[in-house]
Amino acid sequence: DVKVTQSSRYLVKRTGEKVFLECVQDMDHENMFWYRQDPGLGLRLIYFSYDVKMKEKGDIPEGYSVSREKKERFSLILESASTNQTSMYLCASSFEGRRLSPLHFGNGTRLTVT
Amino acid sequence: GDSVTQMEGPVTLSEEACLTINCTYTATGYPSLFWYVQYPGEGLQLLLKATKADDKGSNKGFEATYRKETTSFHLEKGSVQVSDSAVYFCALRLLSNTGNQFYFGTGTSLTVIP
Repeated sequence: DVKVTQSSRYLVKRTGEKVFLECVQDMDHENMFWYRQDPGLGLRLIYFSYDVKMKEKGDIPEGYSVSREKKERFSLILESASTNQTSMYLCASSFEGRRLSPLHFGNGTRLTVT
Repeated sequence: GDSVTQMEGPVTLSEEACLTINCTYTATGYPSLFWYVQYPGEGLQLLLKATKADDKGSNKGFEATYRKETTSFHLEKGSVQVSDSAVYFCALRLLSNTGNQFYFGTGTSLTVIP
């Protein structure tokens, strides 16, 4: 079974702090994604990566950056956390170029910025 | 543009009732289609999938048929259980020259009461 592991289930940070959300997958997937999930807004794509050191902006990249130094790890960085970044963050991964290959999600990190 | 539209919730059903959650899509290519389920406090889990017209995906008593003529992928279950209470997301995957694109509906919350 594919396993996507997010390092924290719950995080509480203060406004202005630099925040790192870590995600690791164990299936050698090329693609990795970061989404945020908010009530009434569904899933919104922040960034994705289709290879090591490659990254692409999603729909809402402002205020975020990412890092992919190794194939299995994809980090989301909040350079200066703000209260409007309080949300559930979901990491996901998939194979590249295979129509049947779905997204596999981690259990999420619920971030609260105070 | 490419998108997924699913029926808004919340949906409340009695145990053993029939369930249908409607999902329609707009896609420029030939998407693969998925249903995901999210239990409280967890990430999204793949429920079922279909990759071409007339394919039927099924899992845990849930079914959905890929209908190209109506661009639909409705989720059905003949007899729901309390344990089916969750949020359900319809999704599509397109292969494009910029890589893989996944599109999600906004989710439908289901509550099953005994």
